[in-house]
Amino acid sequence: AQRVTQPEKLLSVFKGAPVELKCNYSYSGSPELFWYVQYSRQRLQLLLRHISRESIKGFTADLNKGETSFHLKKPFAQEEDSAMYYCALSGQGAQKLVFGQGTRLTINP
Amino acid sequence: DTGVSQDPRHKITKRGQNVTFRCDPISEHNRLYWYRQTLGQGPEFLTYFQNEAQLEKSRLLSDRFSAERPKGSFSTLEIQRTEQGDSAMYLCASSSGTTNYYEQYFGPGTRLTVT
Repeated sequence: AQRVTQPEKLLSVFKGAPVELKCNYSYSGSPELFWYVQYSRQRLQLLLRHISRESIKGFTADLNKGETSFHLKKPFAQEEDSAMYYCALSGQGAQKLVFGQGTRLTINP
Repeated sequence: DTGVSQDPRHKITKRGQNVTFRCDPISEHNRLYWYRQTLGQGPEFLTYFQNEAQLEKSRLLSDRFSAERPKGSFSTLEIQRTEQGDSAMYLCASSSGTTNYYEQYFGPGTRLTVT
């Protein structure tokens, strides 16, 4: 079964502090992993994809196949990072996305 | 705006009524997806199209739900005999086979409230 788990519904950190949003997945093959973000009053948008290995807005995520995790990290949080973050996976063939429940990140000034 | 558009943005209906939502994908995106999102949950997959062909339907899509994409462009999602449990945000997304199927672009959603 395909499943994505984000254990933290809410996460609050201070500006300038490091941020880590956790994501664990369950999938029998080799999935594609993604982080999507939804800022206030905006639509859901792709933040980053594991295969691209990019750093977007200072965020990085490393796929750990042994731990089946894809945690999102940023060394120094900024207030504009406050948003809802969803981890998602897609199986081979790029069909549906399976999303986690999401983590609401709040950056305090 | 060249992004994915959805209409209406909000719909309030009484239980038992039929509703239809429309999604216009990004021009020339050949894949179109429908998701449903309830409060406190991530989006859940409902169905997707490649061009006009409906290739997969979730078990969430009961017989009361039907989706079409007749000309491979816009899509409609109809819910017949609505129930209170159908209240949710209905999201549409599209992706392109010429660039990257994996990157789905989402619309703003249609929020359905069944009273």
